[in-house]
Amino acid sequence: DAGVIQSPRHEVTEMGQEVTLRCKPISGHDYLFWYRQTMMRGLELLIYFNNNVPIDDSGMPEDRFSAKMPNASFSTLKIQPSEPRDSAVYFCASSPSDLLGYTFGSGTRLTVV
Amino acid sequence: GENVEQHPSTLSVQEGDSAVIKCTYSDSASNYFPWYKQELGKGPQLIIDIRSNVGEKKDQRIAVTLNKTAKHFSLHITETQPEDSAVYFCAAITGTASKLTFGTGTRLQVTL
Repeated sequence: DAGVIQSPRHEVTEMGQEVTLRCKPISGHDYLFWYRQTMMRGLELLIYFNNNVPIDDSGMPEDRFSAKMPNASFSTLKIQPSEPRDSAVYFCASSPSDLLGYTFGSGTRLTVV
Repeated sequence: GENVEQHPSTLSVQEGDSAVIKCTYSDSASNYFPWYKQELGKGPQLIIDIRSNVGEKKDQRIAVTLNKTAKHFSLHITETQPEDSAVYFCAAITGTASKLTFGTGTRLQVTL
């Protein structure tokens, strides 16, 4: 298995632009999680899905953030409009139904200038 | 909800020495405790885990211990090597929850 695949690996964008991050979970995993990592706040859970349905989005910082999972093999995290304080590394992770064996992707490093 | 505290935030040891990282959790219903290692530029990677019905688990140079009464668990790395240098995260999950709660991380530096 190729693991959790995220794209792009790096994204540099100007303030106000729309940013879309992409994730392909491990086949057969029922759960998908989006995390944000910064030096100040560590690993923060933004939102997670179970069987493609959003379960808990309480970690999404603002309405500028949205996430979708149209099918079991693809999810997106969108920021519109982006701001410099959104600069961080965004991780996607997936897990089987027993929630054991959480697997993280390599992350997307987002820089908003 | 669950709260996980992790100490120390940074740890420096000499090659060959042992390293210990400690975590406490708040929810007595938590029953699964994984540890992740994050190297520079990479995502966290699961290195070892333990369930609440087990007190200790070993995998080569890595071991994890769990004290359910005190609600704390620890990661032990023996004979440390430079490649052990990374950030380590503990985490906990309860049977009724659907997400892991992570500690704040420990930056381990193994010096020659």
